[in-house]
Parts: sequence; structure tokens; C-alpha cells
Amino acid sequence: RKEVEQDPGPFNVPEGATVAFNCTYSNSASQSFFWYRQDCRKEPKLLMSVYSSGNEDGRFTAQLNRASQYISLLIRDSKLSDSATYLCVVISTSGTYKYIFGTGTRLKVLA
Amino acid sequence: DVKVTQSSRYLVKRTGEKVFLECVQDMDHENMFWYRQDPGLGLRLIYFSYDVKMKEKGDIPEGYSVSREKKERFSLILESASTNQTSMYLCASSLLAGGEETQYFGPGTRLLVL
Repeated sequence: RKEVEQDPGPFNVPEGATVAFNCTYSNSASQSFFWYRQDCRKEPKLLMSVYSSGNEDGRFTAQLNRASQYISLLIRDSKLSDSATYLCVVISTSGTYKYIFGTGTRLKVLA
Repeated sequence: DVKVTQSSRYLVKRTGEKVFLECVQDMDHENMFWYRQDPGLGLRLIYFSYDVKMKEKGDIPEGYSVSREKKERFSLILESASTNQTSMYLCASSLLAGGEETQYFGPGTRLLVL
């Protein structure tokens, strides 16, 4: 089983739709979580950290469910510019801390 | 803003050549990382460094080496390039050791080994 798993998609949604992605992780000792966004042929860029209590940044909401070991990203009122691949990142500590990247979920927002 | 730069955006090399990929960050970050990214496999850690002259193997270090002589610069070396090293190489840096720091990425180097 992969340490971090994401549905690769693509998720094709119309503009204005709400879309949600999940990311599951296998190591219960994982301590920090992030969502990154990666545009085609570009580098990943931090979208938002994920806090235990959940957090929101404009149209984006991130949630953490430690009991079920997953994080989620909700995007409201999707824009064409939201089209990208969304990577979840989990930091685990087994000796040294380790960043583990999911393979990403591809989102296409359609006009 | 953190700036991470990589020496080349695109490289074409021949099998057996020695290849140097350079990465420079301008924010005095302690940690630097080299990843490769392949379709369906995501980002895989090759090596990382948490201090000058220090290096640690990541998940796929075979066929690679690294050098960190100065804090701002982290080099990835392919000793003898092979076709299975054709990939996108991403350098990243983060501020401090100890777990919760986000990583900032360079623009990537697309390497094609013929």
C-alpha cells in the first residue's frame, strides 16, 4: 500500500461547481499535512497547510481527519484558473522527518 | 519571496555522460532536496541535505550523488547518465530542520538522456 494515496482523476467540473478531493495516508504518526498545486510543466507550489481544526483560504477549505487518516481539499465556485494537479503532502517522522508526496489529482474546470 | 533557481530548464545528454544539475536558493534555508518526478509515480526523493557538507540518501539515490559546499547551493550529479534517468528533476528548499516546514521548489529541469 502506498504511504499517501490520491485519486488521479481527472475531475472534470463546470465553472462555478464545488469539487472535493481526498488524500489518504497510512502512517498514523504523520504530523503535518499540506496541499500543493502544480500547473502543467511547472513546479509544485504550496496552496495551503492543513490544520487539525480545518482551515479555509478564500474558496479553498482543507480538512484533516486523523481517525480515518485522510485529508481533504474543497474548492468552491471553481474557476478556469483552478485547473491544475493538486498534490497532497504528508510529513511523517520515523527517525528523521520525511515529506511524502501523493501522485496528485488532476482537476479540469470547463467553461 | 523565496527564490529557488535551477541551472537549466531543459537538458539533452547522451548515455554515459556525467551530468550536473545545480540548484541555488536565496533565503538562507537549511534544508535542500532533490526529487525526480515521473508520470504516475509522483515526486520521489533522491537526496537531501540539512546542512553544508551534509547529505542523506532519499528513496532512490542509486546512480546519483550530491554536493553541498555552500549553504545556498545543492548540486545533483549523475555519474553516468542512463536512459532511465530521463525525468523532470526538481530542487526544493525549506527553512529549518524539524518537521513542519513547507518546501519551496525550483522551476525544474527536464532531462532527456539519449
